[in-house]
Amino acid sequence: GDSVTQMEGPVTLSEEAFLTINCTYTATGYPSLFWYVQYPGEGLQLLLKATKADDKGSNKGFEATYRKETTSFHLEKGSVQVSDSAVYFCALNDYKLSFGAGTTVTVRA
Amino acid sequence: DAGVTQSPTHLIKTRGQQVTLRCSPKSGHDTVSWYQQALGQGPQFIFQYYEEEERQRGNFPDRFSGHQFPNYSSELNVNALLLGDSALYLCASSLPAQNTEAFFGQGTRLTVV
Repeated sequence: GDSVTQMEGPVTLSEEAFLTINCTYTATGYPSLFWYVQYPGEGLQLLLKATKADDKGSNKGFEATYRKETTSFHLEKGSVQVSDSAVYFCALNDYKLSFGAGTTVTVRA
Repeated sequence: DAGVTQSPTHLIKTRGQQVTLRCSPKSGHDTVSWYQQALGQGPQFIFQYYEEEERQRGNFPDRFSGHQFPNYSSELNVNALLLGDSALYLCASSLPAQNTEAFFGQGTRLTVV
């Protein structure tokens, strides 16, 4: 079945550092790929998405490119802020969402 | 637009009891999915409802059941609660297409004691 594997955390960074979270997937079809973010005590918010190979999703300085040849959808941000501290989930959607285990990111001032 | 709303926000139940969680989808959405998120883990798909029918189901026992109403709102019922059912239960609404994005509610934190 469909599955997502993402880099384990926790990840601790200083403000303005570069962030990358690796995500790879296994799917039989051609799913859409998503990154969701979860702040403490809250539900999930969509961060960005890509619906087909070579699509680049971007939002709030975050980017991820749908790489079919490497079955990857790595999340990157060039300069993180304290407000980016959260749990990040990679997910694929083939009529239902399959999530990775989540990566906790803490950004220190 | 109120987005996806879930009730209650927190709930404490005793082992063996039954619980009902409720979800109202985002305006315009007709598909509702339920997920279980254990502490420190990613959400796991329970089932999805569309046109008042269960369209897909994840790897959860029959103790987990649901319902969708004509106004697209949904309920998740869990019978014979176990300690391991303690989790954050998330409701997501979407359109029924394959690549559509899902919008999540704040979740219901269920604690089984």
